[in-house]
Amino acid sequence: DTAVSQTPKYLVTQMGNDKSIKCEQNLGHDTMYWYKQDSKKFLKIMFSYNNKELIINETVPNRFSPKSPDKAHLNLHINSLELGDSAVYFCASSQGIAGAHGTGELFFGEGSRLTVL
Amino acid sequence: QKEVEQNSGPLSVPEGAIASLNCTYSDRGSQSFFWYRQYSGKSPELIMSIYSNGDKEDGRFTAQLNKASQYVSLLIRDSQPSDSATYLCAVNSYQKVTFGTGTKLQVIP
Repeated sequence: DTAVSQTPKYLVTQMGNDKSIKCEQNLGHDTMYWYKQDSKKFLKIMFSYNNKELIINETVPNRFSPKSPDKAHLNLHINSLELGDSAVYFCASSQGIAGAHGTGELFFGEGSRLTVL
Repeated sequence: QKEVEQNSGPLSVPEGAIASLNCTYSDRGSQSFFWYRQYSGKSPELIMSIYSNGDKEDGRFTAQLNKASQYVSLLIRDSQPSDSATYLCAVNSYQKVTFGTGTKLQVIP
């Protein structure tokens, strides 16, 4: 049973389209994250949610809309896709907020590779 | 200045040797430090956590932390070809975990 699962694993789309990625964790964690890994393999945090509350919004364009319906799910919707949005998007979870109540030990999903043409 | 800095490599070591991976960080208030391993095309996987100054050993892996020097390292003893991967240093502060750019390790059989 996969601990952190993301769908879809691959997305190929045209510029200007809208796409969504879904993430679910069954670890019982209360904090979930979206990270973006670019072509140079740099892993950068985008958002984090603790118990459905937005904790971090790391200066991401507002074309990116995260949503956490409950603490086990975190979705990412991207409007008006641009070439520069091509990357691998990783969902992760942890118990507690990194730096506060939690230790910051992250468990990652398999990633969703987005290609914008 | 980057928050977490690593040499991108590649670092090539022969099989059976010790691989030494290094990382520096800028925020003196950082509380926790991690090493993640990422195989090509896969997701990062936590391999070591360290929270206090000194050494922490787990099997063939030893993490070292020096908060005064803002320095974290990972030693891999008896390196195996299966250790070939990118190793990401990560630092926990300000409610987020920040990653370095990673060091690519190649273990030559």
